[in-house]
Amino acid sequence: SQQGEEDPQALSIQEGENATMNCSYKTSINNLQWYRQNSGRGLVHLILIRSNEREKHSGRLRVTLDTSKKSSSLLITASRAADTASYFCAIPRGGNQFYFGTGTSLTVIP
Amino acid sequence: GAGVSQSPRYKVAKRGQDVALRCDPISGHVSLFWYQQALGQGPEFLTYFQNEAQLDKSGLPSDRFFAERPEGSVSTLKIQRTQQEDSAVYLCASSLARGPLNTEAFFGQGTRLTVV
Repeated sequence: SQQGEEDPQALSIQEGENATMNCSYKTSINNLQWYRQNSGRGLVHLILIRSNEREKHSGRLRVTLDTSKKSSSLLITASRAADTASYFCAIPRGGNQFYFGTGTSLTVIP
Repeated sequence: GAGVSQSPRYKVAKRGQDVALRCDPISGHVSLFWYQQALGQGPEFLTYFQNEAQLDKSGLPSDRFFAERPEGSVSTLKIQRTQQEDSAVYLCASSLARGPLNTEAFFGQGTRLTVV
């Protein structure tokens, strides 16, 4: 399976702290994407990192990709209560679809 | 509208009833995806359209599930003879490019289907 698996399953931190979540996958990819899902809502695209990139930044988000270890990490710096959500990595498969893991549920305590 | 719109937002169906879920993608988006998301799980792929062509339906769980996009814009996911295990959130997404390889997908808010 090429499905991405996020780790940890759940994470609870204080506002202002950094949050790190990881994604592991099993086969070769040409890019990996991260999405956020607020409770009861659809998914929102956060960032796309290509296989020839090692790190990418977007605002308070930092994503790394290690293709040798088949893993990616998402770092949210200076977290806010509004960052409370589930975070998914998405692995493209077959040109037509994404595989999503079960996600990391992040709670930021004000 | 500016985003992907799905209707209805909530649907309660009696077991055995047929349901139809609608997705209005972003205008001009070539690709359209349907996903099924069970409670506490990640989205599971159902089917993919490129314009009006259904190029991948490998994720449809049974022949009770049918999707169409006849004019390459609005799509409908139909579930016949609903069963309790069909209860889930059904998410639609669209993207500008062909396939998801190098572009982001825009998701609708989903339709929560409850089969009783």
